[in-house]
Amino acid sequence: NAGVTQTPKFRVLKTGQSMTLLCAQDMNHEYMYWYRQDPGMGLRLIHYSVGEGTTAKGEVPDGYNVSRLKKQNFLLGLESAAPSQTSVYFCASSPPDGYEQYFGPGTRLTVT
Amino acid sequence: GEDVEQSLFLSVREGDSSVINCTYTDSSSTYLYWYKQEPGAGLQLLTYIFSNMDMKQDQRLTVLLNKKDKHLSLRIADTQTGDSAIYFCAETLSNFGNEKLTFGTGTRLTIIP
Repeated sequence: NAGVTQTPKFRVLKTGQSMTLLCAQDMNHEYMYWYRQDPGMGLRLIHYSVGEGTTAKGEVPDGYNVSRLKKQNFLLGLESAAPSQTSVYFCASSPPDGYEQYFGPGTRLTVT
Repeated sequence: GEDVEQSLFLSVREGDSSVINCTYTDSSSTYLYWYKQEPGAGLQLLTYIFSNMDMKQDQRLTVLLNKKDKHLSLRIADTQTGDSAIYFCAETLSNFGNEKLTFGTGTRLTIIP
C-alpha cells in the first residue's frame, strides 16, 4: 500500500494563478482532510470530507475549494493564489471507526 | 472556541527524559493525541489517550492527562537522536476519535549529544 500520496511535492505560483493539489489514498478510508502548516501555527484544517461526494469547511476555508468525486481522491483548488497561501499543505485520511489520521508527505507551495 | 498551546522548542541531552507539555481549553475533548513530524515528512500518530484516562504508557512513552487543569504531557524516556522531531498535541470533540482534530503549534525537540 502506498498510503496517502500527494501531487505535486513542490510548486511555485505567481499571484493570481490557479492550481489543484491532488491527494490519493489506497486504504479505502471514508474521511479525508486538507490542512495547511505555517511556522508557529501548527496545522489548520482547510476543508474535509466524510464520504464520496461530500465536503465541508474547516477552520480556514477562504480562497480554497475542494472536490471528492471519487472515494480515493480529494482535490484542493486555489482559485486565485495569494502570497498568504504560501504554506505546506498536508492531506490526511482516516476510517470512520479508528483513532488515527494518516498523513501524506506534504506539498510545499510558494506564491510570489 | 478550541485552542491548543505548546512551547515551540525543547532541548534535551541524549539519554535524559524529555517532557513535552500541552494545554487545551475545551473541557469537552474526547480524545487527545500526540503526533510526531520528522523533517520533510507528514505527521505520524505516536499515541492517544481517551479523556476518561489519567495515564497511558507505551514502551518509552508516557502520556499524562490532567483534566482539571486541561494539561496533557508526553514523556519520552531515554531520549535518542532519532527522537528529534516536531511533536504536536491534538484534541477532538468527536465521539469517533479521529474527526476534526485541533492541533497545537508543535514543539521542536532537539537532542544534544
